[in-house]
Amino acid sequence: GNSVTQMEGPVTLSEEAFLTINCTYTATGYPSLFWYVQYPGEGLQLLLKATKADDKGSNKGFEATYRKETTSFHLEKGSVQVSDSAVYFCALSDRSNFGNEKLTFGTGTRLTIIP
Amino acid sequence: SAVISQKPSRDICQRGTSLTIQCQVDSQVTMMFWYRQQPGQSLTLIATANQGSEATYESGFVIDKFPISRPNLTFSTLTVSNMSPEDSSIYLCSVRDRGPYEQYFGPGTRLTVT
Repeated sequence: GNSVTQMEGPVTLSEEAFLTINCTYTATGYPSLFWYVQYPGEGLQLLLKATKADDKGSNKGFEATYRKETTSFHLEKGSVQVSDSAVYFCALSDRSNFGNEKLTFGTGTRLTIIP
Repeated sequence: SAVISQKPSRDICQRGTSLTIQCQVDSQVTMMFWYRQQPGQSLTLIATANQGSEATYESGFVIDKFPISRPNLTFSTLTVSNMSPEDSSIYLCSVRDRGPYEQYFGPGTRLTVT
């Protein structure tokens, strides 16, 4: 079956530090990959996505590259801000299983940025 | 992207009662999904709700406990029946909007069962 393994948190960084949150996946088909963010007290927001190997998703200064050879989709940001404090979820959807588009989520990584 | 609202935003319920959660979308969507996020945990899909057909439940979730309605392309409800404290979670609906395999989430309903 499909699974997503995420870097365990919590992660605490100083403002302007470089961020990496690791994500690796196992999929039987051809997954699309996503990063979602959940700010305190809010629902999930789609942060970025990639639908095929070597695609790079980017948004709000965050980037992630779909690496098929290492089955990874690590989230990076060059300079984090206090407002980036949130829980980040890596997820996949199996495109080979049309009609069953469930998202499989990682466990989430809580990120706290200190001024 | 679609704007999704949920009602109620939160509730505290007694053991043995039922709660119906509503999910409203501002545009017509084919696929709607219901997820559960237990405290400190990740999200787990409960069921997929397509208009005009029975909901499809994931392993570990049954219709008697989580009946779902999908009367049209903009609305769905999830009922949590005969609640116990273990049902305390955030319940989120999501929709497939722009492209395939891309889902957008509502703000969630935070349920506490005492």
